[in-house]
Amino acid sequence: GEDVEQSLFLSVREGDSSVINCTYTDSSSTYLYWYKQEPGAGLQLLTYIFSNMDMKQDQRLTVLLNKKDKHLSLRIADTQTGDSAIYFCAETPDRGSTLGRLYFGRGTQLTVWP
Amino acid sequence: GAGVSQSPRYKVTKRGQDVALRCDPISGHVSLYWYRQALGQGPEFLTYFNYEAQQDKSGLPNDRFSAERPEGSISTLTIQRTEQRDSAMYRCASSPGQKVKREKLFFGSGTQLSVL
Repeated sequence: GEDVEQSLFLSVREGDSSVINCTYTDSSSTYLYWYKQEPGAGLQLLTYIFSNMDMKQDQRLTVLLNKKDKHLSLRIADTQTGDSAIYFCAETPDRGSTLGRLYFGRGTQLTVWP
Repeated sequence: GAGVSQSPRYKVTKRGQDVALRCDPISGHVSLYWYRQALGQGPEFLTYFNYEAQQDKSGLPNDRFSAERPEGSISTLTIQRTEQRDSAMYRCASSPGQKVKREKLFFGSGTQLSVL
């Protein structure tokens, strides 16, 4: 089955880089995602990566994928207090019509200290 | 609309009552998904639609849960004879199309259901 694991908490100082890690078990994963959840808000799609890519960069965000080790990471450069939120890793397997059925981790609570 | 809209934002009900949760997807989005998120957990898939057709309902926990999307736009998730264990955040998401950008899911703010 699909199992996505994340560490539950991460604390950093404002201006430092944050690295949130995720491991997954399904070798047929096609897309891997990072979502951000702020209190009272919906899940915001931050970025996603196709499984044949190793890296994707988008402004302050860098996603690294090690498909061999089934390890995904999200690096946030110059972390700001506004980045404090819960970050969810998710994956979707390659099973044709089920694209869009995401399997989520439990989320990593990122706390940024001023 | 500008984003996925869900109503009500909060729903408190007594055990045994039926509830209906509404989702209005982004205009033009073909696919619509329902997820449930318990406290401290990530969202879990319930069911999804392409247009008005329910493609996969394997995530619905039991037959008290049902969903419909009769005109291929707004969807309703109905829970009959609610139980305390149904308390959770219910999230709806939509994506652009069956074949185009299907992998991009946009979530609403959710309906927080509390069953007393």
